[in-house]
Amino acid sequence: EVQLVQSGAEVKKPGESLKISCKGSGYSFTSYWIGWVRQMPGKGLEWMGIIYPGDSDTRYSPSFQGQVTISADKSISTAYLQWSSLKASDTAMYYCARDQSLVPAALDAFDIWGQGTMVTVSS
Amino acid sequence: SYELTQPPSVSVSPGQTARITCSGDALPKQYAYWYQQKPGQAPVLVIYKDSERPSGIPERFSGSSSGTTVTLTISGVQAEDEADYYCQSADSSGTYVFGGGTKLTVL
Repeated sequence: EVQLVQSGAEVKKPGESLKISCKGSGYSFTSYWIGWVRQMPGKGLEWMGIIYPGDSDTRYSPSFQGQVTISADKSISTAYLQWSSLKASDTAMYYCARDQSLVPAALDAFDIWGQGTMVTVSS
Repeated sequence: SYELTQPPSVSVSPGQTARITCSGDALPKQYAYWYQQKPGQAPVLVIYKDSERPSGIPERFSGSSSGTTVTLTISGVQAEDEADYYCQSADSSGTYVFGGGTKLTVL
């Protein structure tokens, strides 16, 4: 079964760092882009960025460039989303999702989604 | 920054046809994708490349494109189709954006 399993919920204080994970299984992890999507409480989906684990090529939405870092460790089929200094406004559900394109140069739809990681930032 | 515009809400009675639109300047040149999200759940892909339906998605879901607008059509709406629907497409820089989402209410 193809699936993405995300790390558990986090509660952090402003200014703290955080790295959440997304582990892929049931498919060739290095052959598909993995993206990250933010959903703030009661709000819509926001496309944050995407990484190709095969060569770590990474693209960011202008809205998130410099605010987060996306990485991947292909040896353990895991993608990451990290913050160096959290803000209260980072409180949200974060989803990882697999892009279904098999062409590295082209993006397509997110066909497989993780269950989400809730991040709460509060003093 | 690039934006995709969706109506905030659409309401239909069971058995009727729901149409949800998504407008964006780059849509004539870029594919659109549609996702369904029910409360407390991750999104599910229902349409890709404007009009393709993934396996396992009911035939009542269809997509179309005309100029700067793409449309998700749900024929014979059922109570279980009540959800938020989001369109997605690419901007000129090669990154993606989502529309603001449309809440479909089945009356």
